[in-house]
Amino acid sequence: GNSVTQMEGPVTLSEEAFLTINCTYTATGYPSLFWYVQYPGEGLQLLLKATKADDKGSNKGFEATYRKETTSFHLEKGSVQVSDSAVYFCALFKAAGNKLTFGGGTRVLVKP
Amino acid sequence: EAGVTQFPSHSVIEKGQTVTLRCDPISGHDNLYWYRRVMGKEIKFLLHFVKESKQDESGMPNNRFLAERTGGTYSTLKVQPAELEDSGVYFCASSPTGGRPYNEQFFGPGTRLTVL
Repeated sequence: GNSVTQMEGPVTLSEEAFLTINCTYTATGYPSLFWYVQYPGEGLQLLLKATKADDKGSNKGFEATYRKETTSFHLEKGSVQVSDSAVYFCALFKAAGNKLTFGGGTRVLVKP
Repeated sequence: EAGVTQFPSHSVIEKGQTVTLRCDPISGHDNLYWYRRVMGKEIKFLLHFVKESKQDESGMPNNRFLAERTGGTYSTLKVQPAELEDSGVYFCASSPTGGRPYNEQFFGPGTRLTVL
């Protein structure tokens, strides 16, 4: 079946540091890939997405590139802010299943 | 436009009691999903409604869980009787129909359920 593996947290960074959260997936065919974010006290929000190989999703300074050859969708941000402190979830979607498959989530804490 | 809302935000109950969670999707969204995150692990799919019909309930853990979507509007998820392992955060999401390859699922804030 489909699965998503992402690095465990928590990840603690200083402001303006570089952030990478690794995500790899297992699925047949060409799933769509996503990063969701959950800020403290809020629901899940779609951060970015990529629907085909080599696509790059980007939003709020975050980027992730759909790598079919390595089945990966790593999330990066060049300079994090305190407001980026949240839990980040990598996920995939296949139309045949019509449901999202999530990774375990990575908590990120950015200190001033 | 109002987003997906869930009620209650928190629920603390004793083992063996019954709890009902409610989700109000975005108006006009035919698709409604329930997911849950247990013990800080991955978020897992529970079931999917299209309007009032259950399209996929393969993720429902056992028959103590009952989901309904009356009239294709709001949905309820009832746990009866609740067990300790049911503790977690229950998320609801909704999406429209027709987009390809993916219709964005909009999530609610979740209901945190604690079973003591």
